[in-house]
Amino acid sequence: GENVEQHPSTLSVQEGDSAVIKCTYSDSASNYFPWYKQELGKRPQLIIDIRSNVGEKKDQRIAVTLNKTAKHFSLHITETQPEDSAVYFCAAFGSQGNLIFGKGTKLSVKP
Amino acid sequence: DGGITQSPKYLFRKEGQNVTLSCEQNLNHDAMYWYRQDPGQGLRLIYYSQIVNDFQKGDIAEGYSVSREKKESFPLTVTSAQKNPTAFYLCASSAAGTAAYYGYTFGSGTRLTVV
Repeated sequence: GENVEQHPSTLSVQEGDSAVIKCTYSDSASNYFPWYKQELGKRPQLIIDIRSNVGEKKDQRIAVTLNKTAKHFSLHITETQPEDSAVYFCAAFGSQGNLIFGKGTKLSVKP
Repeated sequence: DGGITQSPKYLFRKEGQNVTLSCEQNLNHDAMYWYRQDPGQGLRLIYYSQIVNDFQKGDIAEGYSVSREKKESFPLTVTSAQKNPTAFYLCASSAAGTAAYYGYTFGSGTRLTVV
C-alpha cells in the first residue's frame, strides 16, 4: 500500500542551528506534500506545503524541497528557536483521496 | 477551534463499553476523517467520508464504527471489539477536491483512556 517514511524519529539541535527532516513516499502519483507541526497535546497545524510542479518553497525560516524523481521531500528549519520544539509530520496526498502521514519527528531545540 | 470541534477533550472507557467521540464542523467541508495517534506511530487513518451518507474504511477500522448523517457531523464509536483503544483521536475535514491543495483542518482531539 501507499507509504510515507520519515527520518529521523528524534532530532536534537542547539538554538540557532539548522534542522532537516526527510521523507520518502511510495505513490508516484502523489502531487501534494504538506508538513504539520504538533505541540504537545495539541492539534497538528499546517506550517508549509509544496505541490509537485515546484521544487522548493520558502516561508521565512522554513523551507521544503521536493525531488519527484527520487520521491523524497525535506523540511529545513534555519536559525532554530526553542519554540520550534514540537513533533513534525510530513504527508503525501494518496490516490484514495486522503493524506498519508509519516510517523513524525520529535524536534528538541536546546537553548 | 478553527471551525472543527471535538468533544469531549478527555474520555474514560470501562472494559466492554462502547463510547462515541463527537466531531462537528461549520466550515461547510464535504470530507471528514478520523485518525488515531499513538506515540511513535504517527497518524493512522480509521475512517473517512467524502460525502454525506457515505464513508470508507481506513487502515485500522476494526473495532470502530462511524456515521455521516449530516454534513457537519462525523461521530466515531469505539466499540468493545477494539481491544486497545487508549489513544489520542483526531478528527479532520477538507473541502471537496481541496485536500490535495490545502490539506486538512484538524480538531483539537479527544484523549481516550481505558480504565
